[in-house]
Amino acid sequence: EPEVTQTPSHQVTQMGQEVILRCVPISNHLYFYWYRQILGQKVEFLVSFYNNEISEKSEIFDDQFSVERPDGSNFTLKIRSTKLEDSAMYFCASSLGSSWGRPYEQYFGPGTRLTVT
Amino acid sequence: GNSVTQMEGPVTLSEEAFLTINCTYTATGYPSLFWYVQYPGEGLQLLLKATKADDKGSNKGFEATYRKETTSFHLEKGSVQVSDSAVYFCALSEGYGGSQGNLIFGKGTKLSVKP
Repeated sequence: EPEVTQTPSHQVTQMGQEVILRCVPISNHLYFYWYRQILGQKVEFLVSFYNNEISEKSEIFDDQFSVERPDGSNFTLKIRSTKLEDSAMYFCASSLGSSWGRPYEQYFGPGTRLTVT
Repeated sequence: GNSVTQMEGPVTLSEEAFLTINCTYTATGYPSLFWYVQYPGEGLQLLLKATKADDKGSNKGFEATYRKETTSFHLEKGSVQVSDSAVYFCALSEGYGGSQGNLIFGKGTKLSVKP
């Protein structure tokens, strides 16, 4: 069964450093998402991406964040200058989109645990 | 804005007990509703969904009914197993009006089932 994959599974970085989290969505999916989950808290939407551009972003997704689909298979999240509060589990998801206004389900990757020290 | 409220955990049950996890939502339109499950050390997996009022989603013995009149989507299972121990997230999304269906999650309810 096709699945979303993410690398690395765990990333440790120092405050102020840049990190790139990588995702390979399911191959025929058209919409891509990043979510994050701070330890013990709810899963929060960061950004959605379609047709090589950002569709929506939340307040969390400020200028420190960027997304890219560099080669038609990978989908990346870059944090330019990490802060301690960026420590979280980051989930990538993909979906076919929606039909008649009803969204297709999103399939999630296993997550990348980012630890900023 | 849209939001999801689900009962606080943790919930601890004995094997074969009946499970209910309450979920209510606030939405401006007509969202689709989902339950996701997160097993220890793993990512989020879709458990079930309902896309319109009175729909019942079901999977692996779990079920939830989309109740528009009470804006609820409570998760139930008649007889839980130890293997059901996980964190359960209620979520909604709207797939129209320019939205790409980003999910809005509740805080999650941790379920522990004892043998």
